[in-house]
Amino acid sequence: GAGVSQSPSNKVTEKGKDVELRCDPISGHTALYWYRQSLGQGLEFLIYFQGNSAPDKSGLPSDRFSAERTGGSVSTLTIQRTQQEDSAVYLCASSLQGQGFYGYTFGSGTRLTVV
Amino acid sequence: KNQVEQSPQSLIILEGKNCTLQCNYTVSPFSNLRWYKQDTGRGPVSLTIMTFSENTKSNGRYTATLDADTKQSSLHITASQLSDSASYICVVAKYYNNNDMRFGAGTRLTVKP
Repeated sequence: GAGVSQSPSNKVTEKGKDVELRCDPISGHTALYWYRQSLGQGLEFLIYFQGNSAPDKSGLPSDRFSAERTGGSVSTLTIQRTQQEDSAVYLCASSLQGQGFYGYTFGSGTRLTVV
Repeated sequence: KNQVEQSPQSLIILEGKNCTLQCNYTVSPFSNLRWYKQDTGRGPVSLTIMTFSENTKSNGRYTATLDADTKQSSLHITASQLSDSASYICVVAKYYNNNDMRFGAGTRLTVKP
């Protein structure tokens, strides 16, 4: 597509439920990144994919968080047993190469609210 | 402690006025610094990217400066417009060819008529 597409744009879930967030990167972009943005905070790196593999998972805050990417395209971020502190905007970005210098294109994000 | 600090946290200016946003960082070694604009409900959009050897870069009414010695950057907005109302985020990359980037919390700019 023309841009990075994320769905849903908004998600309200009950504490303890699992959620799946989807990211559809720009066609041909090999690198894909997930970030979390809490209110008033900077973006927090979660995970980076190069193709279907994730060479850097260092930012995942707990084992309740996991992500996968299939076909070198769409990625899904899964949060199990959601907690209130998981409430944030989850942003996905993709880039043409796995090099930050070339800059990212961000999606509009998924606003997750855990009640 | 966040390695990228931005100031002010928020700013209100009148349409047509200029403003300057600040970014101080402690990230080292430093590869490049970027400024992003994030409209409400949207993802960040890149405004400028500067390597350690660049002192200034412009993008229309936006001009970014960088002093790698003092680890400071600024974003100057000239002749502000209502559409400039957004959050401006400073991002510092730790290495070239690496996804280790540190994000500031942003400055929330509001331009009023």
